[in-house]
Parts: sequence; structure tokens; C-alpha cells
Amino acid sequence: QKEVEQDPGPLSVPEGAIVSLNCTYSNSAFQYFMWYRQYSRKGPELLMYTYSSGNKEDGRFTAQVDKSSKYISLFIRDSQPSDSATYLCAMSAGGTSYGKLTFGQGTILTVHP
Amino acid sequence: GAGVSQSPSNKVTEKGKDVELRCDPISGHTALYWYRQRLGQGLEFLIYFQGNSAPDKSGLPSDRFSAERTGESVSTLTIQRTQQEDSAVYLCASSPAGGSRGISHTFGSGTRLTVV
Repeated sequence: QKEVEQDPGPLSVPEGAIVSLNCTYSNSAFQYFMWYRQYSRKGPELLMYTYSSGNKEDGRFTAQVDKSSKYISLFIRDSQPSDSATYLCAMSAGGTSYGKLTFGQGTILTVHP
Repeated sequence: GAGVSQSPSNKVTEKGKDVELRCDPISGHTALYWYRQRLGQGLEFLIYFQGNSAPDKSGLPSDRFSAERTGESVSTLTIQRTQQEDSAVYLCASSPAGGSRGISHTFGSGTRLTVV
């Protein structure tokens, strides 16, 4: 079993829809939770970063972490065609392992006009 | 430079040959990371350099893989005796420091390695 599981999709939604992306994990040592966006043939770029449980909002994006359920989510409101990309969740245990991120498989999202 | 630069962007090599992949991190970033991304998969941690500390090599898949970093600048990932399963995109990232600031990785565009 992988430490981080993410539904690869693909997910296709109409412009303006609310998108929900999710990951589950098994390692209870994870303390830092991130969402990266990756466009085709580019490196991932950091979208959101959350420490421990709770919610964080940034514009149209909201990240949620539920450590008791080992479940994290990213919500995208009013989705745009420019949001079409692969979304990767990533996690770190911190401590001496800050730099070691464990990634999910990535979910391919297409937002059509 | 403005971002993390990787070269070459594409590399095709014959099975059994050695390859070297280069990464130029953002100036001033003390931490540098290498990841591997196989087709349709997430990123797989390989190695982590932080300043003058001994690198964390725990993700290197075999002794055919090695990496070096000169001070806080350029890093080279070397794969010896390449195998077809080494075909992947190799991504380099850097961050301003270790610790919690190391969480925020800035990635390069990667080197796409194909072993034929």
C-alpha cells in the first residue's frame, strides 16, 4: 500500500464548477500538507501549504486537512479553463525529514469552457 | 537565476550507458532536492542536500544512482549503467533553507530521460 493515495481521475468539469480533489494517507507522522499544480511538461508549483489540521483559503482555493481521518482535500471554486492541470498532494513529517516530500499520484483535471 | 534550471531538457541514451543530469538552483537557496517522476505517477524522492550537512540519500533506488553538489550551487545527478526502468522525468527543486522553510520547493522543468 502506498503511503499517499490519490485518485488519478481524469476529472472533467464545466467552467464555473466547484472541484474537489482528495488524498488519503497512512503515515500518522505527516505534519505538513501541500498541494502542487503541474502543467504539461513543467515542474510542479506550490499552490497551498497547511500545517497540521484545519482549513486554509487563498482566493478560489481552499485546503482542508483532517488528521484524525488521514484525509486532505483541495477545493477550487469558480473553476476556469486555466485551472486545467495535474494536481498533486504532498506531505512531510517535518523534523529531520522536512525536505522529503511524499507525493500522491496526481489527479488530472480538465475544465472545459 | 530567476528559477531552477535543469539541463538537458531531454536525453535519450542507450541501455548500459552513464548519464549526468545537471541542476542550477535559485541563487541563495541552501537546500536542493532531486525527485523522479515516472509516466502517470507522482514524484518519488531521491536525495536532499542542505548546506554543508551530509546529504539524505535515503531515496536513491540503487547504487547506480549518485549525486553531488558543489557548495550551495550546482548539483549533478549521475546514473550509471542505465536501465530501461530508469526512463522518467528527473526533477530538481530548491528552497531557501532547510527546516520548515524547506517545505516550499521551487521546481525546475525537469530532464526527460529515455533509455532505449
